[in-house]
Amino acid sequence: DQQVKQNSPSLSVQEGRISILNCDYTNSMFDYFLWYKKYPAEGPTFLISISSIKDKNEDGRFTVFLNKSAKHLSLHIVPSQPGDSAVYFCAASHSGTYKYIFGTGTRLKVLA
Amino acid sequence: EAQVTQNPRYLITVTGKKLTVTCSQNMNHEYMSWYRQDPGLGLRQIYYSMNVEVTDKGDVPEGYKVSRKEKRNFPLILESPSPNQTSLYFCASSFAGRGNTEAFFGQGTRLTVV
Repeated sequence: DQQVKQNSPSLSVQEGRISILNCDYTNSMFDYFLWYKKYPAEGPTFLISISSIKDKNEDGRFTVFLNKSAKHLSLHIVPSQPGDSAVYFCAASHSGTYKYIFGTGTRLKVLA
Repeated sequence: EAQVTQNPRYLITVTGKKLTVTCSQNMNHEYMSWYRQDPGLGLRQIYYSMNVEVTDKGDVPEGYKVSRKEKRNFPLILESPSPNQTSLYFCASSFAGRGNTEAFFGQGTRLTVV
């Protein structure tokens, strides 16, 4: 039972355009969501997070949107740069636990 | 430099030969965890530790053991490795693990069991 789903295994975007990565979850108890970026041969690095009390969080070129009623979050990267090419994982957690559930990842390729 | 260090980075072993993957963090984090990454399955949590001598199972704990005798170290032990444990393993740590802090990951250990 995949509680956190990233249905697009890959995405290609032209440099300078917007990248939108999507993530769906099934467990309504999740109240904290994170995005990680992973380059080849490296560990994931934290990108941005959002608490369920918010519907948007912004950090520079990165914005995460949360739609609790749809159990959906998305990561927007504007403008996309070639250095953004990586695998992006969304993760969800319930603040009353110590467990994190990750999605399967989306490979983003930003074309120069 | 704040970091999570895993060793070894690459390991090939034979079925049934006990092995340990070490993980150390220098950030005085209370929470540490182990994940495995497999194609099409993303990152799955194996075990986690909330503090010294306190550990609990994640989603895929079968075939693994952990220990947390010191705050900075969290080794992953495979008592009798099998080919289905061939995977990419990541150790992670965070200041507080109760679902609302970001984790710092090590660079990964690629394990092959033949």
